[in-house]
Amino acid sequence: AQSVAQPEDQVNVAEGNPLTVKCTYSVSGNPYLFWYVQYPNRGLQFLLKYITGDNLVKGSYGFEAEFNKSQTSFHLKKPSALVSDSALYFCAVRGNTDKLIFGTGTRLQVFP
Amino acid sequence: GAGVSQSPRYKVAKRGQDVALRCDPISGHVSLFWYQQALGQGPEFLTYFQNEAQLDKSGLPSDRFFAERPEGSVSTLKIQRTQQEDSAVYLCASSTLTGVVSPLHFGNGTRLTVT
Repeated sequence: AQSVAQPEDQVNVAEGNPLTVKCTYSVSGNPYLFWYVQYPNRGLQFLLKYITGDNLVKGSYGFEAEFNKSQTSFHLKKPSALVSDSALYFCAVRGNTDKLIFGTGTRLQVFP
Repeated sequence: GAGVSQSPRYKVAKRGQDVALRCDPISGHVSLFWYQQALGQGPEFLTYFQNEAQLDKSGLPSDRFFAERPEGSVSTLKIQRTQQEDSAVYLCASSTLTGVVSPLHFGNGTRLTVT
């Protein structure tokens, strides 16, 4: 069975500092990994994905994520946080089906 | 271009009423998904269509939940005899291709409150 864990309910970071939002996964076969962001009262917006190839993937709004197969992790990162990055972030995984399984989400709060 | 559109945006139903939630996917998108998002939780998979075929309905919580996509475009999620535990945001998503590599495009959801 596929599953995703986001161990932190909330991450706080000062504007301008680097941020990391953690995600680990469990899946049979090759993992296909995604990050989405959700703003209040809105649907989810796609940020980036890992399918194959380079372990460091770059996405929208300056975000990037690093795939680590040995640690079964796919942490989201950004070198310099903005207040406008404050939102709810979801990691998701697909295995060998089209079904996308989401984690419980991490609330990112960036303070000025 | 237009994104995924869901209606109504908000729905209040009395316990026992039937509700119907509509999803207009992005034109030409083959795959359509329904998710349920409870307050403070991640989206939980309900069901998946490829064109008009419902390929996976393993996430539907009970036989009170029914989804259809008769012409392979618009989809309706119907909940019969609503219960308080059905209160959640229902998200629809579509993607352009089948297979595992296409990201999903989500609508803004329908917030269902059962009183």
